[in-house]
Amino acid sequence: EAGVAQSPRYKIIEKRQSVAFWCNPISGHATLYWYQQILGQGPKLLIQFQNNGVVDDSQLPKDRFSAERLKGVDSTLKIQPAKLEDSAVYLCASSPSSYYEQYFGPGTRLTVT
Amino acid sequence: AQKVTQAQTEISVVEKEDVTLDCVYETRDTTYYLFWYKQPPSGELVFLIRRNSFDEQNEISGRYSWNFQKSTSSFNFTITASQVVDSAVYFCALRPTIQGAQKLVFGQGTRLTINP
Repeated sequence: EAGVAQSPRYKIIEKRQSVAFWCNPISGHATLYWYQQILGQGPKLLIQFQNNGVVDDSQLPKDRFSAERLKGVDSTLKIQPAKLEDSAVYLCASSPSSYYEQYFGPGTRLTVT
Repeated sequence: AQKVTQAQTEISVVEKEDVTLDCVYETRDTTYYLFWYKQPPSGELVFLIRRNSFDEQNEISGRYSWNFQKSTSSFNFTITASQVVDSAVYFCALRPTIQGAQKLVFGQGTRLTINP
């Protein structure tokens, strides 16, 4: 079974630029999560989707971050404009439903200069 | 409020030693799940175990074992006869079982280095 796929793996941008990350969850997984992991810290949930609906986006900085999951499969996370403090690894995870353990992708390492 | 504390930031041991990673959690929920994940240098979080708050039995899986003590709000992880491949950052996480949002709350992680 293929795991969670993410791209790109690495991205370097200048502050005030925009960037987008893509995630393809495990086939059949209804729940999709985006986490932000700052160096030396544990992952922090940004947004959770159940199919194509948002369940929790309470920690998403909505003035600059946006995410969508069209058709309830792939998802895109966008940052516009980026700030230096957005430098982190962005992890995507999926699970069959919100009651099960989450399976994580390899992450996208973002560096904002 | 939900909180997970992993007081050990870094641990370094020699191969074949046993090592225990501590995890203490705080929650007001009566039912919840606890997890351990491993994050090797490749960056991908690997699921290790899930434990329901009603199940306090210790679990062993090969060289890995977990000690869940609800009375002290701890969920410690022990690696027996450690190997170099065990080197990684290990995260303990907490999740309530209420319907709806199922947010995982992670600890800060413990960086484990196994030296040959």
